[in-house]
Amino acid sequence: AQSVTQLGSHVSVSEGALVLLRCNYSSSVPPYLFWYVQYPNQGLQLLLKYTTGATLVKGINGFEAEFKKSETSFHLTKPSAHMSDAAEYFCAVNSNSGGSNYKLTFGKGTLLTVNP
Amino acid sequence: NAGVTQTPKFQVLKTGQSMTLQCAQDMNHNSMYWYRQDPGMGLRLIYYSASEGTTDKGEVPNGYNVSRLNKREFSLRLESAAPSQTSVYFCASSEARRLYFGPGTRLTVT
Repeated sequence: AQSVTQLGSHVSVSEGALVLLRCNYSSSVPPYLFWYVQYPNQGLQLLLKYTTGATLVKGINGFEAEFKKSETSFHLTKPSAHMSDAAEYFCAVNSNSGGSNYKLTFGKGTLLTVNP
Repeated sequence: NAGVTQTPKFQVLKTGQSMTLQCAQDMNHNSMYWYRQDPGMGLRLIYYSASEGTTDKGEVPNGYNVSRLNKREFSLRLESAAPSQTSVYFCASSEARRLYFGPGTRLTVT
């Protein structure tokens, strides 16, 4: 079984401040981890993903996330928030061992507000 | 490439009415999915299709049926709509463990 917990349904930061969105996962096998972003009235877009290898993953728009197995965490960070980062962010986990069927389990989402 | 397309974009139904949500992808992906998104609930998997000709239930399949018409198309049917099915519905396809989402259908059941 796999599950995702996102701590904080709403995070508010000032423009230029550090962005930190928290995600913890549960998985019985080595997981694949994802962050997706959803802008208002749009579908979800992949921000970054961790599969294997380097635990610090860089994504689009200056975001990065670090896979910490000992803490079962995959927190998303960005050093300096921009107004255009305002969106809802979803963490997701996939623990399937293979094949073409990749079911993702999503967290409940964190709404990021950026204040001028 | 259009990616994943969904029709309609918006729909209002009365309780008990039926409708089909259409989804198509032009990326030649084998796997396709239907999710619903509700405030504070994240995305929940309704049905998925690992390949043409196969479909399986996800987390919240009750009240829905699906058809994988061919490799490109995966439709979601509500036989008798209920207010609890008011939601935003997203279709997705996948390759290399990455999901590609459509723009969504916003459905209201009154």
